[in-house]
Amino acid sequence: SQQGEEDPQALSIQEGENATMNCSYKTSINNLQWYRQNSGRGLVHLILIRSNEREKHSGRLRVTLDTSKKSSSLLITASRAADTASYFCATVRTPGYSTLTFGKGTMLLVSP
Amino acid sequence: GAVVSQHPSWVICKSGTSVKIECRSLDFQATTMFWYRQFPKQSLMLMATSNEGSKATYEQGVEKDKFLINHASLTLSTLTVTSAHPEDSSFYICSVGEGAGGDTQYFGPGTRLTVL
Repeated sequence: SQQGEEDPQALSIQEGENATMNCSYKTSINNLQWYRQNSGRGLVHLILIRSNEREKHSGRLRVTLDTSKKSSSLLITASRAADTASYFCATVRTPGYSTLTFGKGTMLLVSP
Repeated sequence: GAVVSQHPSWVICKSGTSVKIECRSLDFQATTMFWYRQFPKQSLMLMATSNEGSKATYEQGVEKDKFLINHASLTLSTLTVTSAHPEDSSFYICSVGEGAGGDTQYFGPGTRLTVL
């Protein structure tokens, strides 16, 4: 079953702008992950944040996690046209078990 | 991370036929593989967890007799859609669990199934 909800469902921005996507979930988690999917392709793992972490960075990506609000955000800074894709959050409830529960995703369109 | 391939990348079949999709872990011994289904503009729904050498664990609502999963080796899992119908048309994606207590999954490129 779906764990999370991403918002917005779709986001359209210009190159160079920042893109922020949010994810909410319902149950307690061990970690939360963000994935990217280009149209008609598989998913690419972007970043993992554990329940005891509040913020994590990777290149132009910044992820925050608020376990009290059961929410996470993904910020892409200085966006590029190549960032155009769907972005999904996924949660893991049990450590090491690897079962992911995906949110509905945000479609990001970055225009040149 | 693990490199995962799927074959075929797309397939069109007639209603009532069976289709086999292969998922290979090219550089990683995968004791656990996952099969997902994704309808257009929707999220991934986990269908089943495939464990090498044992029976797959199916998610609620997924018919195990219709979606046959075989994970006979550490590098290959197959999903067979039996007696396919148009409503089975979807994007099927497999992934490999990181293993050893890891939580990351590495995804294949997906297989687009169209049933006429």
